[in-house]
Amino acid sequence: GQSLEQPSEVTAVEGAIVQINCTYQTSGFYGLSWYQQHDGGAPTFLSYNALDGLEETGRFSSFLSRSDSYGYLLLQELQMKDSASYFCAVSGAGNNRKLIWGLGTSLAVNP
Amino acid sequence: NAGVTQTPKFQVLKTGQSMTLQCAQDMNHEYMSWYRQDPGMGLRLIHYSVGAGITDQGEVPNGYNVSRSTTEDFPLRLLSAAPSQTSVYFCASSHFPGHRETQYFGPGTRLLVL
Repeated sequence: GQSLEQPSEVTAVEGAIVQINCTYQTSGFYGLSWYQQHDGGAPTFLSYNALDGLEETGRFSSFLSRSDSYGYLLLQELQMKDSASYFCAVSGAGNNRKLIWGLGTSLAVNP
Repeated sequence: NAGVTQTPKFQVLKTGQSMTLQCAQDMNHEYMSWYRQDPGMGLRLIHYSVGAGITDQGEVPNGYNVSRSTTEDFPLRLLSAAPSQTSVYFCASSHFPGHRETQYFGPGTRLLVL
């Protein structure tokens, strides 16, 4: 089977740094994605890792360790607008590339 | 480009009714998929398609049908609605194989089955 685990809630203050972890178990692995979803909205793509290491996109970075089946999303210089749910998703190897999603981490950024 | 569009935005059905949720994309994406999202849950894959004429089941396909006659459109049919199908439905599309595996989502359809 396939499963992903991420914390259900994280709280931080404006200007801080927060790390959201994701561990996965899959029968095949192609890459790890991160998506952001504001209340009532659609998920939007943040970052993707196919290889080990760090990917940086502005204030957001994502890390992957394939040997540990582990990744994280790092959000720096937190802003109030970063309050949202963050999902990790694994795309499986093979012809279908189905995305399997974690249950999401609700991030609350306080003043 | 309009991106991914979904209609309707909201729908109320009675148990046993059927309906079709529409999804269209204008980015010439090969890959399209349907998800449902329930409160406090992640997205669960219902059906997906890697190209016109090709569809396959996801995690939770029961009670839903899809077809992909064109690259642009990927409708989702509820055969006989049940209260358990009350959910928010998202359609997504991407290139396949994807560049950075980026999926683009529509705004969602909020469905209530009474």
